[in-house]
Amino acid sequence: EVQLLESGGGSVPPGGSLRLSCTVSGFSFRSYAMSWVRQAPGKGLEWVSLIYSGDGSTYYADSVKGRFTISRDDSKNILFLQLKSLRAEDTAVYYCVKADVGAPAAVRYFDYWGRGTLVTVSS
Amino acid sequence: SYELTQSPSVSVSPGQTASITCSGDKLGDKYVCWYQQKPGQSPVLVIYQDAKRPSGIPERFSGSNSGNTATLTISGTQAMDEADYYCQAWDSGTVVFGGGTKLTVL
Repeated sequence: EVQLLESGGGSVPPGGSLRLSCTVSGFSFRSYAMSWVRQAPGKGLEWVSLIYSGDGSTYYADSVKGRFTISRDDSKNILFLQLKSLRAEDTAVYYCVKADVGAPAAVRYFDYWGRGTLVTVSS
Repeated sequence: SYELTQSPSVSVSPGQTASITCSGDKLGDKYVCWYQQKPGQSPVLVIYQDAKRPSGIPERFSGSNSGNTATLTISGTQAMDEADYYCQAWDSGTVVFGGGTKLTVL
């Protein structure tokens, strides 16, 4: 059974930092690209970042570029998202998701989603 | 940047057919997938590569994509299908989501 379990969310003041983790099981983590998708309260889905398998190349939404860093530890089956210089508009549930591809290629869909972890940015 | 546009809401009577559209420039040249999200739950993939259904998704869910519009069709809509639906595509190294459509079954 595929499982993605996010952790690390919480409440931080504007300008603060957090590190989200996603522990994965049930599939060959090192073989797939992984992504983070967020959802602000009452709003739609917003793609945040993507990391491919193999070369570990990374991509970011313009809204987080330069502030967030995605990484992965294939030896421990963990996906990370480092969040810095947080803003009120970063408040959202952050989902860890598995992509349908591994090496750099068009991501056609996300087939597994975690339950999400809530990040609240507020003074 | 590439944009996907969805109508905010669609209503359908039980047993009838619901059509949810997603529009974007030359969308038919891209693969589109659809997610269903019920309140308090994570999104679930219901259609991928325009028209394929993942294992476990009922046959009443179908999809198409041509020109500038992709369509998610739910035949014989049931009360359990009431949810938010999001389309998604890939463009120039980024993942793009539509704004979502709230399907009401009444």
